[in-house]
Amino acid sequence: SQQGEEDPQALSIQEGENATMNCSYKTSINNLQWYRQNSGRGLVHLILIRSNEREKHSGRLRVTLDTSKKSSSLLITASRAADTASYFCATDAGSNYQLIWGAGTKLIIKP
Amino acid sequence: NAGVTQTPKFQVLKTGQSMTLQCAQDMNHNSMYWYRQDPGMGLRLIYYSASEGTTDKGEVPNGYNVSRLNKREFSLRLESAAPSQTSVYFCATLRGLATYEQYFGPGTRLTVT
Repeated sequence: SQQGEEDPQALSIQEGENATMNCSYKTSINNLQWYRQNSGRGLVHLILIRSNEREKHSGRLRVTLDTSKKSSSLLITASRAADTASYFCATDAGSNYQLIWGAGTKLIIKP
Repeated sequence: NAGVTQTPKFQVLKTGQSMTLQCAQDMNHNSMYWYRQDPGMGLRLIYYSASEGTTDKGEVPNGYNVSRLNKREFSLRLESAAPSQTSVYFCATLRGLATYEQYFGPGTRLTVT
């Protein structure tokens, strides 16, 4: 079952602005991952943060993790039109190498 | 090196028809997964296979069967398609044992009328 809740469900911003989306989960984890899905395509892994990390950067992406609140945020800085996509968080709380997925945030970057 | 391939890309079925969705990976990973994604929703796990010859049910297995033919291939069969099975189907393989990172195929868009 879905344990991740993402917030907001949809986000529309101007190109160049920063985009922040949040993910909450219910059970303890070893790591949390973020994936991007362009319209009609498969999901692509973006970044992973381990439970003993508080913040991680990759290019224009910044991920934070607060295990006490069971929540994570993904910040995309200086957004571009190509960032228009849906973003999903996933945790490793499942058994047999299963990921538990959030419902996603749909991000639209307006030119 | 194609990663994960899925065939077909698109399919339209009539209610009651059967079909098999094919998935193959050339990444030499043991674990493979079948998901469905309904419009505006996240992924729901249908079946997974931890290794060749083993399969297990996920969250929404009803109406589906799977076969793990060998290490490379994991197929999903709809025996009697229903409109509720209209969805996009994704196959994935486990890329990282320590991280559970998954690598996805491009998807099959299935419409059942």
